[in-house]
Amino acid sequence: EAGVTQSPTHLIKTRGQQATLRCSPISGHTSVYWYQQALGLGLQFLLWYDEGEERNRGNFPPRFSGRQFPNYSSELNVNALELEDSALYLCASSLRLIAGGPRYNEQFFGPGTRLTVL
Amino acid sequence: GIQVEQSPPDLILQEGANSTLRCNFSDSVNNLQWFHQNPWGQLINLFYIPSGTKQNGRLSATTVATERYSLLYISSSQTTDSGVYFCAVPQVSGSEKLVFGKGTKLTVNP
Repeated sequence: EAGVTQSPTHLIKTRGQQATLRCSPISGHTSVYWYQQALGLGLQFLLWYDEGEERNRGNFPPRFSGRQFPNYSSELNVNALELEDSALYLCASSLRLIAGGPRYNEQFFGPGTRLTVL
Repeated sequence: GIQVEQSPPDLILQEGANSTLRCNFSDSVNNLQWFHQNPWGQLINLFYIPSGTKQNGRLSATTVATERYSLLYISSSQTTDSGVYFCAVPQVSGSEKLVFGKGTKLTVNP
């Protein structure tokens, strides 16, 4: 079974540009999460998508946005890039929560996209 | 929000040694995950363990939810065990948002 995949592996942009990162979840998973791992700041939750809707977002400005497609893959867009956006961006997927089921589903992570802003 | 603390921050071992990594959390949780981040940055799932003990080869984990901590045991360490180990818990009960500790950086020397 294929795991979570992300593209590109590396991305180099300059300040003010826009970056688009892509993620394909594990087959059968409908929830997709984005996390940022910046140097010195640890792993921080960015966004959660399920069934095409944004369900939750972390403490990030609106220039961080994304979407989820009907096939459950997802894009993360970062507009007006700043130097501090340089980080490893990790995508994760999980089964969706269902009524009467577990209150939490294990998240599985992709290999990440390393974004460098010059 | 919930706080997650991991200790020690750094650990250096000789190959073959055993180690224990600790994860404390500030509130009750309904689940906990342990990960190993390899040198290329990928997070590898180790355990999904809300309570009790699980074992997988040379690794085992124990979570004592009532006392708000979890332990990861690595026995007979190998150089390939090097990397950063993270624990993560849901932000609130039922939440899908994971809160990570700062990690334990493990270096296993040959």
